[in-house]
Amino acid sequence: QKEVEQDPGPLSVPEGAIVSLNCTYSNSAFQYFMWYRQYSRKGPELLMYTYSSGNKEDGRFTAQVDKSSKYISLFIRDSQPSDSATYLCAMRLANAGGTSYGKLTFGQGTILTVHP
Amino acid sequence: EPEVTQTPSHQVTQMGQEVILRCVPISNHLYFYWYRQILGQKVEFLVSFYNNEISEKSEIFDDQFSVERPDGSNFTLKIRSTKLEDSAMYFCASSEVAGGKFSYGYTFGSGTRLTVV
Repeated sequence: QKEVEQDPGPLSVPEGAIVSLNCTYSNSAFQYFMWYRQYSRKGPELLMYTYSSGNKEDGRFTAQVDKSSKYISLFIRDSQPSDSATYLCAMRLANAGGTSYGKLTFGQGTILTVHP
Repeated sequence: EPEVTQTPSHQVTQMGQEVILRCVPISNHLYFYWYRQILGQKVEFLVSFYNNEISEKSEIFDDQFSVERPDGSNFTLKIRSTKLEDSAMYFCASSEVAGGKFSYGYTFGSGTRLTVV
């Protein structure tokens, strides 16, 4: 079983739609969960992060983590053509002794196209 | 907004040659990373670097790879003898570590596309 699984899509939606992106994972020790956006030939850009289970909202974006199901989601409301990009989920272990464990484990990425 | 700067943006090298990929992390960041992304595949962790030493590395990061912080601003990844399978996008990232606080996410550079021929 892969450590992090993400449906690569591609996903195509009309402008204004609600987009739901999801990842599942197998390692229950993951504590920090992130969503990155990546435009073509650019580096990942951090969108959202959450610690452990729960929801977090930032503008049109909502991140949800369900640790009991090992499932995380990103919702994009009122999607715009500028949201067209690849969305990557990423996660990492908890810190230990105040020293950050830097390794992020990424999903495959979902290619999203929002058409006008 | 502070950026992580990577040079060159694209490098072509012959198999067996040594390459050095360069990065300038954000100035007040203390943790540095290299990741790579083979075309069509996941972003993969290579190495993390803190306090002038490697803090964690993946199985990909074998003896052919090394990292260095030669001065107060640059962070480099060296591949000693490149192979065809080293062709990938290499991303540098940095994060701040503020005593006791967690560092949730990192700032990535735009990457260096390495093509080994």
